[in-house]
Amino acid sequence: AQSVTQLGSHVSVSEGALVLLRCNYSSSVPPYLFWYVQYPNQGLQLLLKYTSAATLVKGINGFEAEFKKSETSFHLTKPSAHMSDAAEYFCAVYNNNDMRFGAGTRLTVKP
Amino acid sequence: DTGVSQNPRHKITKRGQNVTFRCDPISEHNRLYWYRQTLGQGPEFLTYFQNEAQLEKSRLLSDRFSAERPKGSFSTLEIQRTEQGDSAMYLCASSRTTPNEQFFGPGTRLTVL
Repeated sequence: AQSVTQLGSHVSVSEGALVLLRCNYSSSVPPYLFWYVQYPNQGLQLLLKYTSAATLVKGINGFEAEFKKSETSFHLTKPSAHMSDAAEYFCAVYNNNDMRFGAGTRLTVKP
Repeated sequence: DTGVSQNPRHKITKRGQNVTFRCDPISEHNRLYWYRQTLGQGPEFLTYFQNEAQLEKSRLLSDRFSAERPKGSFSTLEIQRTEQGDSAMYLCASSRTTPNEQFFGPGTRLTVL
């Protein structure tokens, strides 16, 4: 069965610093991969997705992620954190109508 | 595109009561998904529909849970004889068959006292 592991349940960065949220996946076939963001008491909003085209995927709000098959990773990055980036981030893997989410990483941005 | 909507946003009930949640997907989306999310966890798949057909159910979906999508549009999720362990956020999402990116609603937060 496919699965996702997000390393680090909490990440804290200073405003303007690099954001790096880690995601490793397990899948027996080439997967579709997603990053979602969730603000308090809201649903999930899609940040970006990988669907076997370009390995470097750009998303909304300045986020991007790189698919690395050899490392089975799909880490999310943003060059410069903004206070509004503080939220919960979820990585997900999709195959054969089955979407599995990681446990999430809570991002805190310090002024 | 008005987005996915869910009602109610919050529900507080007593143990043993039945509750029903509604999800209205994006109109042109033929797939609809239900997830449950507990504090500090990612969403867990419960079930999904393609049009009106319920194609898959998770083992998390006990006999007390039932979902319908009678006309292939909105869906309801009913929980009978609620238990405290049912307290969670219930998320609905919809998608086209392809591409398969899912759009989520704001969720219904259930609290069972």
